[in-house]
Amino acid sequence: DAKTTQPPSMDCAEGRAANLPCNHSTISGNEYVYWYRQIHSQGPQYIIHGLKNNETNEMASLIITEDRKSSTLILPHATLRDTAVYYCIVRVAGTASKLTFGTGTRLQVTL
Amino acid sequence: GAVVSQHPSWVICKSGTSVKIECRSLDFQATTMFWYRQFPKQSLMLMATSNEGSKATYEQGVEKDKFLINHASLTLSTLTVTSAHPEDSSFYICSARTIKGSYEQYFGPGTRLTVT
Repeated sequence: DAKTTQPPSMDCAEGRAANLPCNHSTISGNEYVYWYRQIHSQGPQYIIHGLKNNETNEMASLIITEDRKSSTLILPHATLRDTAVYYCIVRVAGTASKLTFGTGTRLQVTL
Repeated sequence: GAVVSQHPSWVICKSGTSVKIECRSLDFQATTMFWYRQFPKQSLMLMATSNEGSKATYEQGVEKDKFLINHASLTLSTLTVTSAHPEDSSFYICSARTIKGSYEQYFGPGTRLTVT
C-alpha cells in the first residue's frame, strides 16, 4: 500500500471548517483513500473513503485532487468532540489488504 | 450495525501472569480479525492477523509464543498475553473484517493493559 504524509498537528476553532490534508503521491490506480479517526483512548472510527471522485457523508467530505496524489478531509463545522487523531490510509478496496496506520494528524478543536 | 466489542475494557495484572482479551463481532461474521497495539502518543501497530480456524500470522518482531491468538469462531478471537511484563503495558485494539462485499474493517473500543 502507498505511503501517506500528514501534518502532525492542526488547530481549528469550534464551528469552523477543519481541512486536513494528506499526500499520497505514490498511490496506485486501484487504491482508495480512507480516513479514520481515533478519539483519545478509543478504537479507530471509520469516516469516509473514495477513489477519485469527491465524496460526502454525514460526517465529512473528501476532496481528492485530479491526479490523486493528495486529498483533503473536510469537517464542515468542527466541534470539540471532533478533537482526535485523524489517519489517512490508502489501500485497495474489496481485497484482503491490511490497514497500515501512519502517525496521523492530531486535530485540536478549541473554543 | 458492524459493532465490535472487546472485553475487558481495562485490566491490571501482576508481572509473570497471563491475561486474556476477547474480541467479538456482534452483528456480523468475520473470517479475519486483527490485533493492534498502541503505546502512548504512538500510532497503532499491527501485531497479528487472525483467521478463523487457522493459525494467526504475526508481524515481524512480535513473539507468537508470548501473544497467543485463538480464532475459534466467526465472531470471536482472543489474545492471551503470557508471562506479562511491565513493558507489555499498552492499549490493545482488535478489528474485524467482513467476509464479503467491501471487506471493510471495524474496530473494537480497545483494552488498556497495565502490568505491575
